[in-house]
Amino acid sequence: LAKTTQPISMDSYEGQEVNITCSHNNIATNDYITWYQQFPSQGPRFIIQGYKTKVTNEVASLFIPADRKSSTLSLPRVSLSDTAVYYCLVGDMRGSQGNLIFGKGTKLSVKP
Amino acid sequence: DVKVTQSSRYLVKRTGEKVFLECVQDMDHENMFWYRQDPGLGLRLIYFSYDVKMKEKGDIPEGYSVSREKKERFSLILESASTNQTSMYLCASSFGGVETQYFGPGTRLLVL
Repeated sequence: LAKTTQPISMDSYEGQEVNITCSHNNIATNDYITWYQQFPSQGPRFIIQGYKTKVTNEVASLFIPADRKSSTLSLPRVSLSDTAVYYCLVGDMRGSQGNLIFGKGTKLSVKP
Repeated sequence: DVKVTQSSRYLVKRTGEKVFLECVQDMDHENMFWYRQDPGLGLRLIYFSYDVKMKEKGDIPEGYSVSREKKERFSLILESASTNQTSMYLCASSFGGVETQYFGPGTRLLVL
């Protein structure tokens, strides 16, 4: 099973770009990489997902190198409201063979 | 919008009690999940279900059981609650494969 490792915390200032990296050395061929954001007293919510190379949506970009042993979530121009815990999830759900491994989360604090 | 609801936001139980946590999703999702979330440990998968009456153990199934009699409902059962089961419990659902998981708001359980 893939084990994920991410920094415990990061600090940033409003307007800066933030990059959070997740290591997953044992990622399997079928595994996808998904990032979630969680605010206090709420369940996590989906940010972005990818398999390889680069994925971009309206809120973030996800960079995955060719060996797929790590991934980097990039948040452009963060604001105070981006203060949250960010989790990477590596895994795949294929019927009864599913395996899903969440990282322990990175607490991002954005300061004015 | 997908909606995942959990029966209680806060629950206080005594050691040895049988505890039921209910989760309902309204999007006809195939997969449903139960996680527990503890400080410093992130999200850990307890059980998941990929179809009605089907269940698979996650990373930490000991002390828990689950039931999925209908597609929209997934129950987590603590047969005899213990203090080390005090935690935040999160339910999630997804359509299938590598699809996004949608989380409920969580149930904070305190076992005295």
